[in-house]
Amino acid sequence: GENVEQHPSTLSVQEGDSAVIKCTYSDSASNYFPWYKQELGKGSQLIIDIRSNVGEKKDQRIAVTLNKTAKHFSLHITETQPEDSAVYFCAASRLDTGRRALTFGSGTRLQVQP
Amino acid sequence: EAGVTQFPSHSVIEKGQTVTLRCDPISGHDNLYWYRRVMGKEIKFLLHFVKESKQDESGMPNNRFLAERTGGTYSTLKVQPAELEDSGVYFCASSQDNIWTGGDYGYTFGSGTRLTVV
Repeated sequence: GENVEQHPSTLSVQEGDSAVIKCTYSDSASNYFPWYKQELGKGSQLIIDIRSNVGEKKDQRIAVTLNKTAKHFSLHITETQPEDSAVYFCAASRLDTGRRALTFGSGTRLQVQP
Repeated sequence: EAGVTQFPSHSVIEKGQTVTLRCDPISGHDNLYWYRRVMGKEIKFLLHFVKESKQDESGMPNNRFLAERTGGTYSTLKVQPAELEDSGVYFCASSQDNIWTGGDYGYTFGSGTRLTVV
């Protein structure tokens, strides 16, 4: 089955700096890669996702890059703000089957220091 | 729009007891999923409903876990009898695929139920 590894487990940055979280996956058939943000006491929120037919996707300060050959994808947050502090999870899945199960990484706790 | 609602938010039970977790998905979402995070490890898939039918239950750990979704609305996850290793956070999520327009496959997660078995 699929296995997703996520690094680092914790990340502390100064406000205004960039943050990068990296994930690798094992199943070359995976073709959908979402990122979720979990704030304390709240449900995980989808912040951005990418499909295997594109290499990069941006949404304001957030971007995700995908390298299918190396089987890794990364989340980039620019101009970080204190409200970006949360736990971020990457995940991988296949959309070409009836299954919708996501395989998650172990999470990264991002702390943005004001 | 109300999000995915789970309750209770916390549950502490003794080993051998029964616990039932409930999830109310976003109205109109046919897909409902259960996941859990045990002992601070990765979030693991348990099962997936499409309306009231179990589409994929490959992640259910054993027959002490029973999930239902009568009427295709809310879902319950029963653990009977609970064991110590069942402690963790149980997440529910829902989504509304829109295959024809290549729409949003993204899930909306609930805030989870923290289950502690003592």
